[in-house]
Amino acid sequence: EAQVTQNPRYLITVTGKKLTVTCSQNMNHEYMSWYRQDPGLGLRQIYYSMNVEVTDKGDVPEGYKVSRKEKRNFPLILESPSPNQTSLYFCASSLAGTGGNYGYTFGSGTRLTVV
Amino acid sequence: GDSVTQMEGPVTLSEEAFLTINCTYTATGYPSLFWYVQYPGEGLQLLLKATKADDKGSNKGFEATYRKETTSFHLEKGSVQVSDSAVYFCALSLDNTDKLIFGTGTRLQVFP
Repeated sequence: EAQVTQNPRYLITVTGKKLTVTCSQNMNHEYMSWYRQDPGLGLRQIYYSMNVEVTDKGDVPEGYKVSRKEKRNFPLILESPSPNQTSLYFCASSLAGTGGNYGYTFGSGTRLTVV
Repeated sequence: GDSVTQMEGPVTLSEEAFLTINCTYTATGYPSLFWYVQYPGEGLQLLLKATKADDKGSNKGFEATYRKETTSFHLEKGSVQVSDSAVYFCALSLDNTDKLIFGTGTRLQVFP
C-alpha cells in the first residue's frame, strides 16, 4: 500500500530536549515536505526537499532542521524544542515537477506537546 | 504574496442539505487549485482539483469550478451525509513549484 509513515503519533516532551520525528514514504517520490497545523492558521510549510541531499526552508523554518540522506526518509529534528512548537505535524510527499497536480500523500500526523 | 482565503467554520448542516464552502485565492501566474479533506485523526486527502480556468473538479459528489474572473474555487455538494463531517482545506500550487499553499480550513459538521 502506498503510504507515508510518521512516528510517533503522539509525543509529549520537555523544553530543550532534542527530538526527531521520522517520516518515510514507499512511493519513490522525489518531493517531500513538512507542515505544521495550528488552529486558525491552517497548514504552514516548515521545510521541503526536492530530492536526496536537496533541502530548503519553507515559511516557518525557525527552530527546525531536516535531512534527506535517502530518498524515502525525511526526518524532522527539533534541536531544542520550545512550547511554541506545540502543534500537529504532517509529512507529505509527491512526484517532483508536477505542481502537486497528482496530489500530495500525507502521513497521519504527529501531535507534539512541549511543556 | 500568494494566499488562499476560506470561509470560517464551523459549518453546521442537517443531512441532505446543500453545502457551499467558499474559497478565494490571490496568486501571481496561473495556479492549480485543490480541495483536500481531513477526517478526524487522519492526514489530508486530495478530494478534487482543477488546473486551469473554467475546469470543474469533482469527486464523491463534491464539485468545484475554477473561476479566474472572481479568483474563486468554491466547494459544493448537493446533499451532504453525516460521513462528510471533516475539515476541508482549499489550496493552490503555482507554475514551476511543487509547494502547496493552504487556506485555514473549514470544519463541516453534519447532523442526522
